[in-house]
Amino acid sequence: EVQLVESGGGLVQPGGSLRLSCAASGFTFSYYWMHWVRQTPGRGLVWVSRISADGSSTGYVDSVKGRFTISRDSAKNTLYLQMNSLRADDTAIYYCARTTGGTIDYWGQGSLVTVSS
Amino acid sequence: EIVLTQSPDFQSVTPKEKVTITCRASQSVGSNLHWYQQKPDQSPTLLIKYASQSISGVPSRFSGSGSGTDFTLTISSLEAEDAAAYYCHQSSSLPFTFGPGTKVDIK
Repeated sequence: EVQLVESGGGLVQPGGSLRLSCAASGFTFSYYWMHWVRQTPGRGLVWVSRISADGSSTGYVDSVKGRFTISRDSAKNTLYLQMNSLRADDTAIYYCARTTGGTIDYWGQGSLVTVSS
Repeated sequence: EIVLTQSPDFQSVTPKEKVTITCRASQSVGSNLHWYQQKPDQSPTLLIKYASQSISGVPSRFSGSGSGTDFTLTISSLEAEDAAAYYCHQSSSLPFTFGPGTKVDIK
């Protein structure tokens, strides 16, 4: 069974940093492209970032470029999102997601990030 | 960035009624359009991929159609368990984007 379990969310002050982790199991992690998607009540689902199966290619939405970094450790079957210079509008539930053939087919349960003073 | 719009925003439907949700893209996405269902306090789940391809385990009452810029998700006969938000998503070009969602409520 495919499982994606996020961790690392919490409350952080504006300008602070946080690193999200996503532990993957039930599939061969190193074969799949992975994504981060976030969700807020006001702005719905927003794609944040993706990384290729071998980690050599990454992509970001403009609003996080230069502040967020996606990475992966295939030895640990774990996906990461390093978030720096956090702003109030980064407040959201962050989902880790797997793609198969270009389609996001599995989502984690989400990790809540709250940016507030 | 490709903008996806959905209609309607909200629909209140009687069980066994047919539901049609549309998704329009600001430019062609080919068939790279997917549909997700999200129930309250749950993560999204994949309903339809590549506009019209069915997903194993998803009830056959869910179907999709369209290509280019205009797409439709159809629930042929609504059941109570289908109360949820439905989102379209394009994977044609970065940044990937999602529609704003359609909330389906049961009367």
